[in-house]
Amino acid sequence: AQSVTQLDSQVPVFEEAPVELRCNYSSSVSVYLFWYVQYPNQGLQLLLKYLSGSTLVKGINGFEAEFNKSQTSFHLRKPSVHISDTAEYFCAVEGNNNNDMRFGAGTRLTVKP
Amino acid sequence: DTAVSQTPKYLVTQMGNDKSIKCEQNLGHDTMYWYKQDSKKFLKIMFSYNNKELIINETVPNRFSPKSPDKAHLNLHINSLELGDSAVYFCASSQDGAARDTQYFGPGTRLTVL
Repeated sequence: AQSVTQLDSQVPVFEEAPVELRCNYSSSVSVYLFWYVQYPNQGLQLLLKYLSGSTLVKGINGFEAEFNKSQTSFHLRKPSVHISDTAEYFCAVEGNNNNDMRFGAGTRLTVKP
Repeated sequence: DTAVSQTPKYLVTQMGNDKSIKCEQNLGHDTMYWYKQDSKKFLKIMFSYNNKELIINETVPNRFSPKSPDKAHLNLHINSLELGDSAVYFCASSQDGAARDTQYFGPGTRLTVL
């Protein structure tokens, strides 16, 4: 089975600053990788996903992530955050031979004015 | 239009009761899921259904039972509720359950067991 580790439980950052949310995964097979965002009192919403091809993936709301196979990482980045980006962010991994999606513990991004 | 909807949004009940949470998706997807999110925000899959067949069943107590009257609905029944069942439960759906599918989540049902 695969697993994912989000290295930071909380990330505080000031508005318009860049941010990186870290995610590392473990799997014995090739994987698909996802980032989901959960705004307060809402369900999860897909930000972006890596299936194959280019290792740099662009998603909604100006977010992007880079798949690094050698480091087994899929870090999420945004060059300039807004107050509205305050939310919980979940990294998820799924093996390409199963439909068992595993989520990380989440990273709470708090953007301060 | 709401893609994945759940009812109720909040559910407060006593220990030992039996309760149900309903989920409906209007996306025409073939696979639906139930997740449990605990107080620390950890999200864990409980069940998934594909064309009325259970295809994932994690180590969930048999007090929990998913029921799917049709492919647009996957309801969660919980018998003999316990304090530890308090959590937010999310329903989700995907096109056909393939590993590369995007899952679409409902808004969640916050269950509190007293």
